[in-house]
Amino acid sequence: DSGVTQTPKHLITATGQRVTLRCSPRSGDLSVYWYQQSLDQGLQFLIHYYNGEERAKGNILERFSAQQFPDLHSELNLSSLELGDSALYFCASSAPPTSGSREQYFGPGTRLTVT
Amino acid sequence: AQSVAQPEDQVNVAEGNPLTVKCTYSVSGNPYLFWYVQYPNRGLQFLLKYITGDNLVKGSYGFEAEFNKSQTSFHLKKPSALVSDSALYFCAVRDIRSGGGADGLTFGKGTHLIIQP
Repeated sequence: DSGVTQTPKHLITATGQRVTLRCSPRSGDLSVYWYQQSLDQGLQFLIHYYNGEERAKGNILERFSAQQFPDLHSELNLSSLELGDSALYFCASSAPPTSGSREQYFGPGTRLTVT
Repeated sequence: AQSVAQPEDQVNVAEGNPLTVKCTYSVSGNPYLFWYVQYPNRGLQFLLKYITGDNLVKGSYGFEAEFNKSQTSFHLKKPSALVSDSALYFCAVRDIRSGGGADGLTFGKGTHLIIQP
């Protein structure tokens, strides 16, 4: 168990709908990263938040957005869903840079199925 | 832009034999390198990392990896494979100077490791 939690584990929804995925980082970690894993695109970095502020964006669609709250949990919002958005969405967290560690610890993921 | 190549989709090894899973990378500056393992319907588990220092790094479950700057490689190795090592392995890179969008990890496509009894 990495200490990163994600809810829900599974989500089934219809095209055009909006969903929210939730992530709680490991205790003490300030960074939260979101990744998408699909068969055709592999594992892709979406977005990074550090202590409530957006730090970097990767291949995140404009229909997707995220935020990190004062208690450091993060939510990934996916809207106007398309069939191609079906994927595993992972959240990861990492310790502050001053710790010297650079690895990210991944949650169990949320499997999103868009029908 | 940074990239990772894992040239083998699948590696088959007999139990007890040594295993190698290959990874090459490309970054503008110096890399942070990582190996992760994914079991079916599970998240990614961190195995080991190269940040700086000794080129041979040791990680979890008896795995090790060798950083080779001239060949831009970071191959994963284990002296004696176990059936329980069968899983999907990902190599990942992050440029030390990353920012402005290149902040997350860039992953390879993954290598299925199959250990035969």
